[in-house]
Amino acid sequence: ETGVTQSPTHLIKTRGQQVTLRCSSQSGHNTVSWYQQALGQGPQFIFQYYREEENGRGNFPPRFSGLQFPNYSSELNVNALELDDSALYLCASSLALADTQYFGPGTRLTVL
Amino acid sequence: GQQVMQIPQYQHVQEGEDFTTYCNSSTTLSNIQWYKQRPGGHPVFLIQLVKSGEVKKQKRLTFQFGEAKKNSSLHITATQTTDVGTYFCAGRQNYGQNFVFGPGTRLSVLP
Repeated sequence: ETGVTQSPTHLIKTRGQQVTLRCSSQSGHNTVSWYQQALGQGPQFIFQYYREEENGRGNFPPRFSGLQFPNYSSELNVNALELDDSALYLCASSLALADTQYFGPGTRLTVL
Repeated sequence: GQQVMQIPQYQHVQEGEDFTTYCNSSTTLSNIQWYKQRPGGHPVFLIQLVKSGEVKKQKRLTFQFGEAKKNSSLHITATQTTDVGTYFCAGRQNYGQNFVFGPGTRLSVLP
């Protein structure tokens, strides 16, 4: 196990709703990255947080937002959910920007 | 923007056969990582390659980084049923930037 935890495990929402996903990074890791993984595809980078500041963002609209707390845990918020947002959302923590990424088990989001 | 491609998309092998997956980037990479994702699981880090022409081995797995740092390969010798899963490469163009994942190669091993 990597020590990275995510909650909830599964989530079902309806179109237009908002969702918050949570990630607790491995002890001592100050960097958290969020990825969206659609079925049968590779993880797509959403954004990264380093010491509570956003440090890079992928090609996702502003309704995807995030936060990192002083204890380096993190949240991913998605507003105005769309059907295409259905995916596995993964967070990955690392000790520094260049280091190995340790993935959590993911949150499976289904938008109906 | 940077694109990372992998071939093949799928590979079915008989247990004991060898397997190779190839990763190609549209841009030169500073480093590349390989991950394995079991069905229903999450990506698990396997290795990171940094130097041009670098070759690293982990038991039956051999990883190679191309001389031009635009391609990489993962070779598994004598596959076992425990090797089943999807293998992803992830490349980064510059230090501090995010990693871009390839679409993965799904490996099936028939006993």
